[in-house]
Amino acid sequence: AQSVTQLGSHVSVSEGALVLLRCNYSSSVPPYLFWYVQYPNQGLQLLLKYTTGATLVKGINGFEAEFKKSETSFHLTKPSAHMSDAAEYFCAVSEGSGGYNKLIFGAGTRLAVHP
Amino acid sequence: GAGVSQSPRYKVTKRGQDVTLRCDPISSHATLYWYQQALGQGPEFLTYFNYEAQPDKSGLPSDRFSAERPEGSISTLTIQRTEQRDSAMYRCASSPRTGGDLTEAFFGQGTRLTVV
Repeated sequence: AQSVTQLGSHVSVSEGALVLLRCNYSSSVPPYLFWYVQYPNQGLQLLLKYTTGATLVKGINGFEAEFKKSETSFHLTKPSAHMSDAAEYFCAVSEGSGGYNKLIFGAGTRLAVHP
Repeated sequence: GAGVSQSPRYKVTKRGQDVTLRCDPISSHATLYWYQQALGQGPEFLTYFNYEAQPDKSGLPSDRFSAERPEGSISTLTIQRTEQRDSAMYRCASSPRTGGDLTEAFFGQGTRLTVV
């Protein structure tokens, strides 16, 4: 069975500092991997996804993630945090089979950005 | 519509009552998903529809939960005889199509259900 582990339920960084949110997954087949963000009072929004091809994926708002098969990881990074990045971030995995996108989510990481 | 719309945004109900949650997906989106998100957890898959068909309802936690999408557009999720453990955020998402090339799932704002 697939699963996702996000290390750290809360992460706090200073404005301008590097953001690193960790995600490890388990999957018996090549996975499709996603990062979603939830801003207050909004729905989940896709930041980026990896399906096939280049393992370094760039997303919106300056975020990127690298798929490392050997480490079963898909960590999310941003070189310089902005106050507007404060939100909850969810990593998710999908088998990509069966013709639909059944997502398995991690428990989420709440990012706080302080001045 | 412009995005996925869910109603109500908040629902408080007494234990034992039935509740129905509504999801209006993006127009023409073939696929519709329901997820349940307990406090402090990530969303968990409940069921999905391909138009009006419901090929996978493996995530529904009990027979008190049911979902339908009779005309392949708007969907409802009904919980009968609610229990306190049903308290959660219920999220709906839609995608343009099924198939081997996965596409982005667009999520609504969710319905926060509280059973007292």
